[in-house]
Amino acid sequence: GAGVSQSPSNKVTEKGKDVELRCDPISGHTALYWYRQSLGQGLEFLIYFQGNSAPDKSGLPSDRFSAERTGGSVSTLTIQRTQQEDSAVYLCASSLGVGRGLLSGYTFGSGTRLTVV
Amino acid sequence: KQEVTQIPAALSVPEGENLVLNCSFTDSAIYNLQWFRQDPGKGLTSLLLIQSSQREQTSGRLNASLDKSSGRSTLYIAASQPGDSATYLCAVQTGANNLFFGTGTRLTVIP
Repeated sequence: GAGVSQSPSNKVTEKGKDVELRCDPISGHTALYWYRQSLGQGLEFLIYFQGNSAPDKSGLPSDRFSAERTGGSVSTLTIQRTQQEDSAVYLCASSLGVGRGLLSGYTFGSGTRLTVV
Repeated sequence: KQEVTQIPAALSVPEGENLVLNCSFTDSAIYNLQWFRQDPGKGLTSLLLIQSSQREQTSGRLNASLDKSSGRSTLYIAASQPGDSATYLCAVQTGANNLFFGTGTRLTVIP
């Protein structure tokens, strides 16, 4: 697509439920990133996918968080047993990745606002 | 480690004024610098990207400059409008998974 698409745009869930957030990157972008932004805070890196390489999961805050990227395209971020502190805006970005792609920067989606009640 | 600082943290200007936002970074080994706009609770919209070999980029009323050797970038907004009110973030990329964000400048344009 023309941009990075995220769904849903808003999600309200009860504490303890599982949620899935979806990201559809720009076609041809080999790199995909998940960030989260809590209210009034900066962006916190969560996970990075590059092509078929093993993802960099170093930013995932706990084992309740996981993500996958199927077929090198769409990615799903799953949060199990949600807690109130998981409430945040979850942002996905994609880029051309390595090589000359490093000159082209990131494109971000419009985010998913997650509220855990 | 790369550190990115933005000054000022907040800025209020009357409509129609020209303004400059500043961004500084500590390590000049970057691939690119991007300026983003973020509205409250929303995603990031890329405004301008300057590749490491470039000095400036322009889009409409926006002009961004890059002085890599001194670790500085500016975003110039001409004839500001209330719709320009948002938080502006600069970010430098130093690797495939190395994007360092500044602290942001919250801009308010007063009608």
